[in-house]
Amino acid sequence: GAVVSQHPSRVICKSGTSVKIECRSLDFQATTMFWYRQFPKQSLMLMATSNEGSKATYEQGVEKDKFLINHASLTLSTLTVTSAHPEDSSFYICSASGSGGAADTQYFGPGTRLTVL
Amino acid sequence: QQQVKQSPQSLIVQKGGIPIINCAYENTAFDYFPWYQQFPGKGPALLIAIRPDVSEKKEGRFTISFNKSAKQFSLHIMDSQPGDSATYFCAASIGNNDMRFGAGTRLTVKP
Repeated sequence: GAVVSQHPSRVICKSGTSVKIECRSLDFQATTMFWYRQFPKQSLMLMATSNEGSKATYEQGVEKDKFLINHASLTLSTLTVTSAHPEDSSFYICSASGSGGAADTQYFGPGTRLTVL
Repeated sequence: QQQVKQSPQSLIVQKGGIPIINCAYENTAFDYFPWYQQFPGKGPALLIAIRPDVSEKKEGRFTISFNKSAKQFSLHIMDSQPGDSATYFCAASIGNNDMRFGAGTRLTVKP
């Protein structure tokens, strides 16, 4: 149980385009979802925290107008990278925590590799 | 500001050895300390976690030792295998929120 999926797993886009990444909790209701960014050979950095039905809380230094987060349901959160540029190329990972058996920790998705040309 | 400091950055052991990875934290509000294993191109997978009311927790070949007064915790991998070669991250959070990761330790287990 407690499986989190992400789609797509990889995306390559041209500079200036917007990219949407989906994060789904497959077998539990995710009351809270988190988005992380990981550069090569570096650690995970928390970008934002979102609770279902409310606006996301962004970490200091993360542009909320560039990284749009929507947590419209208890099983889906989306991250949209608007007007992507090469410096946005990174590995984006979501995680989710929920109620009941899924409340004890964050369950991570497999990540999405974004490459902006 | 790095809230969780992890060492060493890399570690090489022989098969059967016991690698030890150490972490230290500053924020006494942290109350949940997980360890994650990450393979290249994959998301992190939870290995084992501990809360500050216990000093040690063991699951299979993985053991966490926790020292609340020193604000330190460590991961021991017993009888390490080549398949354990991965990057290991410690983390600390307040409940399930505000999770902060260490810098990671790249472990190589030689056959």
